[in-house]
Amino acid sequence: EVQLVESGGGLVQPEGSLRLSCAASGFSFSTYAMHWVRQAPGKGLEYVSAISSNGGNTYYANSVRGRFTISRDNSKNTLYLQMDSLRAEDMAVYYCARQYYGSGTYYDYWGQGTLVTVSS
Amino acid sequence: EIVLTQSPDFQSVTPKEKVTITCRASQSIGSSLHWYQQKPDQSPKLLIKYASQSLSGVPSRFSGSGSGTDFTLTINGLEAEDAATYYCHQSSTWTFGQGTKVEIK
Repeated sequence: EVQLVESGGGLVQPEGSLRLSCAASGFSFSTYAMHWVRQAPGKGLEYVSAISSNGGNTYYANSVRGRFTISRDNSKNTLYLQMDSLRAEDMAVYYCARQYYGSGTYYDYWGQGTLVTVSS
Repeated sequence: EIVLTQSPDFQSVTPKEKVTITCRASQSIGSSLHWYQQKPDQSPKLLIKYASQSLSGVPSRFSGSGSGTDFTLTINGLEAEDAATYYCHQSSTWTFGQGTKVEIK
C-alpha cells in the first residue's frame, strides 16, 4: 500500500525556518518525481515545488523560489522541503504528492498534510 | 503561467441532479488536465485524468470531457457523498483552478 506521511509542521515566527519531511513507503520511491502542494486555510490548492526521481532537477513556484529548497534522500525514501524566510502568506497545510510516471502527468497519491503556522 | 479558471465557484444541488463544472485554461494544454475531489479535512483524490479518462474505483457518474482550453467535469446523478470541492489541475506547469464547492441541498 502506497503511503506518504508528512511531518515537521508547526508554529514558526515570520522570517523563521522550518523543514518538512515526507516519508514514503509501499512503492519504489526512487523512480517517481515528487511534489509539494499547499493549501492556505479556507483556500484552494497551490503547487509549491517538484523534484525529479533522482533529485537532479528541481522546480519552484514563483511565490517560493529563492526561499524554499526541495530535496530527497532516496536511500531513506524521504522527501524534504526546507522553508526559509517564512511569511504570513506561507501559512498552509503542506501536502506531498507523488507524480505518476512520465512528464505532464498527474498526482496519484497524496499525504495527509502537515500544518505550518507563521505567526509572531 | 497557465491560469485555470473554474465556474461556478459554488453550486448547491439536489441529490440525483446533474452537476456540470467547467475549467478554462489561459492557453492550450491539450489533454493535460486532471480533476480532483477534496472532501472536508481530507487530502485531494484524483477523479479524472487526461481530461476524460476514468479511474478504477471512481463511480461511473463522474465523467470528464474537453481538450485545448475548455474542459468539463460532469456528475450524473449527484449523491450525498459527492459534497466536496472539485479542482481542475494542469500538468504542463502544475497550476490548479480555484475550486468549485458543491453543496447538497
